[in-house]
Amino acid sequence: DTEVTQTPKHLVMGMTNKKSLKCEQHMGHRAMYWYKQKAKKPPELMFVYSYEKLSINESVPSRFSPECPNSSLLNLHLHALQPEDSALYLCASSQIAGPHTDTQYFGPGTRLTVL
Amino acid sequence: ILNVEQSPQSLHVQEGDSTNFTCSFPSSNFYALHWYRWETAKSPEALFVMTLNGDEKKKGRISATLNTKEGYSYLYIKGSQPEDSATYLCAYNAGNNRKLIWGLGTSLGVNP
Repeated sequence: DTEVTQTPKHLVMGMTNKKSLKCEQHMGHRAMYWYKQKAKKPPELMFVYSYEKLSINESVPSRFSPECPNSSLLNLHLHALQPEDSALYLCASSQIAGPHTDTQYFGPGTRLTVL
Repeated sequence: ILNVEQSPQSLHVQEGDSTNFTCSFPSSNFYALHWYRWETAKSPEALFVMTLNGDEKKKGRISATLNTKEGYSYLYIKGSQPEDSATYLCAYNAGNNRKLIWGLGTSLGVNP
């Protein structure tokens, strides 16, 4: 199984809602990532977890709260988002073979719209 | 500020044509260069990870070269097929961590 799955595929939420994005992999990877991608821009790293511990937080606003409950799951909890947070949210995972040579395997993303 | 630039931004070729595009990155503090292929409505797919100057990698009809001294990588597609239509992204590791700095991609369309 070389797949990273993400749910939901699409999400529309109001600025006062609380929602969560989910990501799952069963490749035994111990690094997991959240990216944000806006149209015509490259993916922008948000968070990296290594061995279920947060290792990189790219100064992401606190309205985005990541959680890694176990080595296969990664969540992104959303609260009080702004319309400018509308984007494609991509999850990825990698083995921890080497920090700069790990191949990242991506999910298909969740398309988020904040009204 | 680290910049990764890709050119051309987009191109269209006929089926059977061979094509290539470029990824430019800062030559200092280089650790690795990654190439990804991203088809619309699908997940980005890893093609290559390249670390050594002069590296050449091949996967079927797709190959890539790396020049770390001058800071560029070429991706070649031989005998393009319609299924090669996708955006090709490169990403650069500037440090000994997992953070990738991405280019904007080259959008390739292959006409049957």
